[in-house]
Amino acid sequence: AQSVAQPEDQVNVAEGNPLTVKCTYSVSGNPYLFWYVQYPNRGLQFLLKYITGDNLVKGSYGFEAEFNKSQTSFHLKKPSALVSDSALYFCAVSPLRGGTSYGKLTFGQGTILTVHP
Amino acid sequence: NAGVTQTPKFQVLKTGQSMTLQCAQDMNHNSMYWYRQDPGMGLRLIYYSASEGTTDKGEVPNGYNVSRLNKREFSLRLESAAPSQTSVYFCASSLAGRTDTQYFGPGTRLTVL
Repeated sequence: AQSVAQPEDQVNVAEGNPLTVKCTYSVSGNPYLFWYVQYPNRGLQFLLKYITGDNLVKGSYGFEAEFNKSQTSFHLKKPSALVSDSALYFCAVSPLRGGTSYGKLTFGQGTILTVHP
Repeated sequence: NAGVTQTPKFQVLKTGQSMTLQCAQDMNHNSMYWYRQDPGMGLRLIYYSASEGTTDKGEVPNGYNVSRLNKREFSLRLESAAPSQTSVYFCASSLAGRTDTQYFGPGTRLTVL
C-alpha cells in the first residue's frame, strides 16, 4: 500500500526567508507526486506535480519541489516566503498501477504554514 | 468557466436523515471524485468515477452512495446520516488517469447532530 507522510504539522517562517515543507512517501516503483494548497474555507488548489524527468519541478506562485528517489522525499520549497503563502499544504501520491486505479490520490495529513511579517 | 461547483455549501442534519451532495464540472473531464476532509487526516477518497457510467469505492465508502448522472455531474448520497459523517466534503475532477491534475470544488461543510 502507498502512503504519504508530512512530518511537520506546522511550519513557521519569517517573511523573506526561505521555506521548506517536507513530504516523504512510500510506494512500489516510481511515484507520481503532487502538492496542493488550501486557503481557509476554500477548496484545494494545485501547485505542482512530478511525473518524470527533471527532479526539480517548478510550480505556481514561485514554489518548487525536489524529487529525491533515494530519500523518497518530495519537499516543497520557496526561496522567499510571503505572508500570503500562509495556508495548509498537502502532499499527495498517485498509485503506480494502472487498470482501474484512475487518479486515486493518497494525501498526507497536511502542514500548516505560517509566514510572519 | 466555473470549474467544479458544489451544493450546498453548508448543511446541518439530524442523525438518521438523508441528503444528497451535488457536484458538477464544466471542464469536460472524464474522472470525478468525492473526498472527505477531517482534521489531522488529510483528504480521504470516498468514491470515484473513472468515466461516465462507472463508479468505484475508495478508501472510506461505508455509509455513502454515488451516482454519475452524466459526464458533468457526480452526486454523493448519505442514506442515514451519522455523527461520524460530520466532515468537509470535496468533489474533484480530472481529465483522466493518474498523472492528471485534479481540480477541486469549494467544499460542503456537513454537521450531523
